Amino acid sequence: NAGVTQTPKFRILKIGQSMTLQCAQDMNHNYMYWYRQDPGMGLKLIYYSVGAGITDKGEVPNGYNVSRSTTEDFPLRLELAAPSQTSVYFCASSYSSGQGEKLLFGSGTQLSVL
Amino acid sequence: DQQVKQNSPSLSVQEGRISILNCDYTNSMFDYFLWYKKYPAEGPTFLISISSIKDKNEDGRFTVFLNKSAKHLSLHIVPSQPGDSAVYFCAASGLGNTPLVFGKGTRLSVIA
Repeated sequence: NAGVTQTPKFRILKIGQSMTLQCAQDMNHNYMYWYRQDPGMGLKLIYYSVGAGITDKGEVPNGYNVSRSTTEDFPLRLELAAPSQTSVYFCASSYSSGQGEKLLFGSGTQLSVL
Repeated sequence: DQQVKQNSPSLSVQEGRISILNCDYTNSMFDYFLWYKKYPAEGPTFLISISSIKDKNEDGRFTVFLNKSAKHLSLHIVPSQPGDSAVYFCAASGLGNTPLVFGKGTRLSVIA
């Protein structure tokens, strides 16, 4: 089925470990986003991309890195995991941005850093 | 500073009654507003939206009202059903390619 696929669904990391959260979409969407959701804190934008080769910081980019080498994939990298990065991470995509556009979200990755 | 505020963390409503979820925003440049619904262990899904040139948009049981002068919007669900129990996020978009800004969400519980 067409949509946004995130892997893994769950992960436990030790402090200082690194990992990559994968995100792929098969709808040829130009825009891709990474959000994190902390309990009671809503969705906060980490990074976003308006097309292959172009990325930009969101509200909470510290401790994360992204790349966008293809239209389909937008991986999120955690280099030195910290307990503050325990959260649920959502990837989303859209064909464009602005009025009339709606984000399509993946099912999320639950990450715990212990 | 929060640009999109949902001041009620939770709301409980009886089945068949009206649910009213509220959202306030501070940035007058926002011109498009959306509501997303989220079930546990799933990603948010789009529910309904409204452009700033309108004051009401209706889709079945869901209606969104926009009061630009008060910088306030609300989502009405009539009649409420147990399957509507979820977290509802309000989101806003400005001019150009600005990513959506989300509120903290309101957890709606519809009691049978």
